[in-house]
Amino acid sequence: AAGVIQSPRHLIKEKRETATLKCYPIPRHDTVYWYQQGPGQDPQFLISFYEKMQSDKGSIPDRFSAQQFSDYHSELNMSSLELGDSALYFCASSHKLARAYEQYFGPGTRLTVT
Amino acid sequence: DQQVKQNSPSLSVQEGRISILNCDYTNSMFDYFLWYKKYPAEGPTFLISISSIKDKNEDGRFTVFLNKSAKHLSLHIVPSQPGDSAVYFCAANGGKGGNQFYFGTGTSLTVIP
Repeated sequence: AAGVIQSPRHLIKEKRETATLKCYPIPRHDTVYWYQQGPGQDPQFLISFYEKMQSDKGSIPDRFSAQQFSDYHSELNMSSLELGDSALYFCASSHKLARAYEQYFGPGTRLTVT
Repeated sequence: DQQVKQNSPSLSVQEGRISILNCDYTNSMFDYFLWYKKYPAEGPTFLISISSIKDKNEDGRFTVFLNKSAKHLSLHIVPSQPGDSAVYFCAANGGKGGNQFYFGTGTSLTVIP
């Protein structure tokens, strides 16, 4: 079965650079969630989109922005990168009206900022 | 502010024995609790859930217990198998949280053959 796809899987950037992470949800899923997991930390919710509109917002820095496109894929744009942005970024997808347990996670993108 | 806490960062259990992973939460508005299992280099995978209207949910070798008065839940794995070795995250949602999870910091389980 198709799963959530994230690209790239690994990304190395320097401080003050920008990065774009992509997420392709499971087919027919219309909701996308972004999470950030720092080293030794729990995943922190960043932001979610339903039908291309922002639905929930968590601890996403102002330097980050995200959007969901007409094909339901989502991109997380990160600017003025800081060392503390080094983390594993997970995307999850679900279908509307699904309860939380029906979020399916992608493998993550590991971002390293040097 | 950590609303979901897993105080044991690691746990080692002999194969065939019971594994008990614990989780505490602070927000009384949470009404749905989940356990996720995570292998290295993979995203979390849903394992089992429980609604706040129940105090127990069982699925094969996995049982989750919820004690609402203590704001505590636990995951029991019986019998434990080497393939269960992974990081287990407790998560909660509900109240003003919308569809977002609040995760614990995870417990790394090692099942020794």
